[in-house]
Amino acid sequence: NAGVTQTPKFQVLKTGQSMTLQCAQDMNHNSMYWYRQDPGMGLRLIYYSASEGTTDKGEVPNGYNVSRLNKREFSLRLESAAPSQTSVYFCASSELRAPNSPLHFGNGTRLTVT
Amino acid sequence: KNEVEQSPQNLTAQEGEFITINCSYSVGISALHWLQQHPGGGIVSLFMLSSGKKKHGRLIATINIQEKHSSLHITASHPRDSAVYICAVTPRGDTDKLIFGTGTRLQVFP
Repeated sequence: NAGVTQTPKFQVLKTGQSMTLQCAQDMNHNSMYWYRQDPGMGLRLIYYSASEGTTDKGEVPNGYNVSRLNKREFSLRLESAAPSQTSVYFCASSELRAPNSPLHFGNGTRLTVT
Repeated sequence: KNEVEQSPQNLTAQEGEFITINCSYSVGISALHWLQQHPGGGIVSLFMLSSGKKKHGRLIATINIQEKHSSLHITASHPRDSAVYICAVTPRGDTDKLIFGTGTRLQVFP
C-alpha cells in the first residue's frame, strides 16, 4: 500500500527553467493538495483539488499551475522557476469532509532554484 | 497574528520526561490535527480530533473546544520521539483546507 507517492525527491533548477512535480495516491481520496514548507513558516497551501476535474488556488498560488489528471494524480508545474520558489514541496491527500479521515503526505520534494 | 499558534517553538528533554506541546487557534474548527515530521523526512498524521481526548501508545492528544486549545503529551519520552510536531486545524465551513502552525521542534536526549 504505497499511500501518496511524490517525485522527484530532489531537484535543482536554474532561474527560468520549468519542471513538473508528480503526485499520485492510491487511497481513492477525493481531495489532493500541494503545500510548500519554508523555514520558520507553517506549511502553506499552493493549490488544492477537492475532486477530480476541479482545482482551486490556495494561499500562495503565484508562479504555479496544477493539473488533476484523474482521481489518483495531481501534478504541480513551475513554468519559469524563480529563486523564491526554493522550498520543500509536499503533496497530500485526504477526505477532510469525512470524519476521522487524516491527511496523508508524500515524502516531499526538495527544490533549489539558483 | 497566526490563526494557529504553537508553544514552545523549541523543546529539549531528557529521556523519560513527560512532554507537553500546546496549540491555540482563533477560528472555529471542525477538526484539529497533530502531525509529526522527522528530520529530512515526510510528515505523518498522529491524531485527528474534534473533542475530548485520544491516546495512541505513549502519545495523548486533548482538545478544549471552548478554550480553542489543544495539547499533545508524550509520556516516557525517548530519543526516537525527536521530531517537529505540527498542529493544524480544519476551519468550520471550509473543510477542504487546513491551517498549520509553525511547529514545535523536540529533541530528546538519552
